[in-house]
Amino acid sequence: DTAVSQTPKYLVTQMGNDKSIKCEQNLGHDTMYWYKQDSKKFLKIMFSYNNKELIINETVPNRFSPKSPDKAHLNLHINSLELGDSAVYFCASSPGREVSYEQYFGPGTRLTVT
Amino acid sequence: AQSVAQPEDQVNVAEGNPLTVKCTYSVSGNPYLFWYVQYPNRGLQFLLKYITGDNLVKGSYGFEAEFNKSQTSFHLKKPSALVSDSALYFCAVRLLGSSNTGKLIFGQGTTLQVKP
Repeated sequence: DTAVSQTPKYLVTQMGNDKSIKCEQNLGHDTMYWYKQDSKKFLKIMFSYNNKELIINETVPNRFSPKSPDKAHLNLHINSLELGDSAVYFCASSPGREVSYEQYFGPGTRLTVT
Repeated sequence: AQSVAQPEDQVNVAEGNPLTVKCTYSVSGNPYLFWYVQYPNRGLQFLLKYITGDNLVKGSYGFEAEFNKSQTSFHLKKPSALVSDSALYFCAVRLLGSSNTGKLIFGQGTTLQVKP
């Protein structure tokens, strides 16, 4: 059974479009995250939710909007896509918000904006 | 600024030899340190962490890491490398924020290449 899953795995779209990436975890974790990995493999936190509450909101364009319908799901919606949004987006989860917990990552969604 | 650095972009080692992947950190307060591994086209997998206690931490797949407070380092080690260890390795530090919430800050990653 997949612990943290993301759909789609690949997403190719044109500039200006709106797209969503979905994430689900079946680990019973309370906390979920979105990360962006750029072409140089650099990883950066974007958002984090704990029990559907936004707890980390990094400096990202407001075209990016996370939504957590329940604690097992965290979706990422991106409006007006730009070339610079091309990256791999990873979802992750942890048992709770405490700093001692490790995070479990999904397989990633490779977004290509043309 | 609080940060974590991996000074080597790539580490090459022969199979069977010991390996070390370096990591140094700069944080205020106690560091919470992690190592993750990323295989090609996969998500990150947790290897080990240092929270408190013994400076030598043992993790998955035979890896271990040594926390050195005076040198602000947390190097990843393995006594005998396998070709299957070839991957991208990330050191990370968890920053303690408000309400015990913290961001995970990653180093730039080190590619480990183990040759037969």
